[in-house]
Amino acid sequence: AQSVTQLGSHVSVSEGALVLLRCNYSSSVPPYLFWYVQYPNQGLQLLLKYTSAATLVKGINGFEAEFKKSETSFHLTKPSAHMSDAAEYFCAVTGGGNKLTFGTGTQLKVEL
Amino acid sequence: SAVISQKPSRDICQRGTSLTIQCQVDSQVTMMFWYRQQPGQSLTLIATANQGSEATYESGFVIDKFPISRPNLTFSTLTVSNLSPEDSSIYLCSVDRQGAAEAFFGQGTRLTVV
Repeated sequence: AQSVTQLGSHVSVSEGALVLLRCNYSSSVPPYLFWYVQYPNQGLQLLLKYTSAATLVKGINGFEAEFKKSETSFHLTKPSAHMSDAAEYFCAVTGGGNKLTFGTGTQLKVEL
Repeated sequence: SAVISQKPSRDICQRGTSLTIQCQVDSQVTMMFWYRQQPGQSLTLIATANQGSEATYESGFVIDKFPISRPNLTFSTLTVSNLSPEDSSIYLCSVDRQGAAEAFFGQGTRLTVV
């Protein structure tokens, strides 16, 4: 079985500041991990994914995440926040199958 | 990638009625997934729909409440029956590509039950 914990349901950063969204996972098998973004009134868009290749994964819009097995973490970062990054972010895990288990989401607010 | 068209994008329905949501994919896929996103919450998988067989429902979801059709490899419908205000949610259709290790999502259907 898999589960995901996202620490912080709301995160607020200043424009230009570092974005760090935390995700910890639990999986009984080697996991595949994902970050999705959801803009208001829209579906989910994949930011990046880890599928057992490189542990540092680069995604779209300048986001990246590092898979750390020892910490069971897959935190999402972006060096410099932009106003357009304001959205809800979901971490998700699958055990290599098709069913995604999602975290509870983190609402990112970017302030001037 | 996969392009998923979901209809309707939103609806307001009366208690006791039903809403059928359609999901059309631009290419053939084996599995289609239906998720529910309740207000302020994360996504929960309702069921997996395979063409030619009964949908597989997750714990807490039953066919009588959420009947699903999957008539071909590019289309599925989810019906939410006997609506109550607790059914007010966003419902999302999702597919994955064999070997892509990635799920693609429709835009979602925002249902409000009054």
